[in-house]
Amino acid sequence: DTGVSQDPRHKITKRGQNVTFRCDPISEHNRLYWYRQTLGQGPEFLTYFQNEAQLEKSRLLSDRFSAERPKGSFSTLEIQRTEQGDSAMYLCASGRTGQNTEAFFGQGTRLTVV
Amino acid sequence: AQTVTQSQPEMSVQEAETVTLSCTYDTSESDYYLFWYKQPPSRQMILVIRQEAYKQQNATENRFSVNFQKAAKSFSLKISDSQLGDAAMYFCAYRSAAPGTYKYIFGTGTRLKVLA
Repeated sequence: DTGVSQDPRHKITKRGQNVTFRCDPISEHNRLYWYRQTLGQGPEFLTYFQNEAQLEKSRLLSDRFSAERPKGSFSTLEIQRTEQGDSAMYLCASGRTGQNTEAFFGQGTRLTVV
Repeated sequence: AQTVTQSQPEMSVQEAETVTLSCTYDTSESDYYLFWYKQPPSRQMILVIRQEAYKQQNATENRFSVNFQKAAKSFSLKISDSQLGDAAMYFCAYRSAAPGTYKYIFGTGTRLKVLA
């Protein structure tokens, strides 16, 4: 396994359209995170899964955002009725339960809403 | 709520020289983890170094070392013998060790330029 994989790498969409991103974590990792990063800023936490359970959601995650992780494997992040302010890099990370475990990041999906 | 502050938006260092990136954080917890992540241009973030708050000894990884001052809530990164490949955004991150809290909180980053 070569690491966390995200698809697509780039997405351009028109305002008001729905978009869905996919993340495939490292296979033995039970934790999965979604972050959003805008230019010149650090990653902002969106949501976290342990196995298939979504354990925490940020207040940043409005009703237009939804994330799933069926069967505790890959995850999807959907944004409905996209707005220009949704333009950002969406990062996925995975990790294992236990002490000292780092988060391993994917290369991200860059979303541009026009 | 915990916060992480990186007060240096950009730093420059001459190749082969040493540079220190600053990070401060705010928390009321006593047990937590601190990380430095590197994000090269258009590439994924990778872990540079991590520190457990319960350890007094500063972590080191080859040319990278930290100065962890728990009382001052300071966690700086020292890069020795800087190389061109060290040029990147560097993010300081905090993670609680409390059960049930697993998110990483990041600072705004420091862009490091390495001059040949």
